[in-house]
Amino acid sequence: GAGVSQSPSNKVTEKGKDVELRCDPISGHTALYWYRQRLGQGLEFLIYFQGNSAPDKSGLPSDRFSAERTGESVSTLTIQRTQQEDSAVYLCASSLARQGAWEKLFFGSGTQLSVL
Amino acid sequence: AQSVTQLGSHVSVSEGALVLLRCNYSSSVPPYLFWYVQYPNQGLQLLLKYTTGATLVKGINGFEAEFKKSETSFHLTKPSAHMSDAAEYFCAVSDDNTDKLIFGTGTRLQVFP
Repeated sequence: GAGVSQSPSNKVTEKGKDVELRCDPISGHTALYWYRQRLGQGLEFLIYFQGNSAPDKSGLPSDRFSAERTGESVSTLTIQRTQQEDSAVYLCASSLARQGAWEKLFFGSGTQLSVL
Repeated sequence: AQSVTQLGSHVSVSEGALVLLRCNYSSSVPPYLFWYVQYPNQGLQLLLKYTTGATLVKGINGFEAEFKKSETSFHLTKPSAHMSDAAEYFCAVSDDNTDKLIFGTGTRLQVFP
C-alpha cells in the first residue's frame, strides 16, 4: 500500500505477556519513529531510526521495551512482561527526513494495546 | 531540551466562529514548527509547517498559523469553523539536538451547530 501500515490494529493481552507490534513504513522513507499515545495525553516519543545510523532509544520507558528495524524496511516494537500502564495506542511514523531536514511525518493508524 | 505547550485540552466553538488553538515552545533558537490533525478513527496528518521564511503559514482546510518569535508561539487559527473540523490537533516542534519531533498534549476541538 501507499501509506504506513501497522499491525495488529488492536491487541489485548494479559499482564506479564510479551507483545510484538509491527510497522511497515512507506517505501524509501529513511526515518522511522515510534510514539505512544496514552488516553488523554499527547504523543510520547519512544524511539527513532534513521537509515543505518544507531537508533535514538532515549524515549524507551524501561528495559522491557525494545525495537528493531532492518535497513529501511519493517520495524518491530517489542514489549516484554507487559504491565497495565503499557496500555496505549502505539503509533509509527515514517518520513524522508535526513538529519537536519524536516519533512513531514506520515503516520500509521496505530496499534491499540490493552493489557488486562 | 525543547518542549511544547498547548493551552487548553478542549476547545469548543460554534459553527462559523473563529478557531484559535494555542501553542508555545520553549527554545530561544527558532525551531521548525508543525501542526498535525487527527480526525476521529484516522491517523495523524500534517496540517501545516513552518521552517523558514514567511511567518504566516497556510495549511489545508483553511487553517493557518503564525510564527511569533518574540512570543515563542505558533497559534493555529481558522476564521470560520466547520463541523468537519472537529478533531484533535497537535502542535509539534523540532529538536535539532536530537532530530526528534516533540509533540504537545493535544487540543480536542468540538464544533457545535
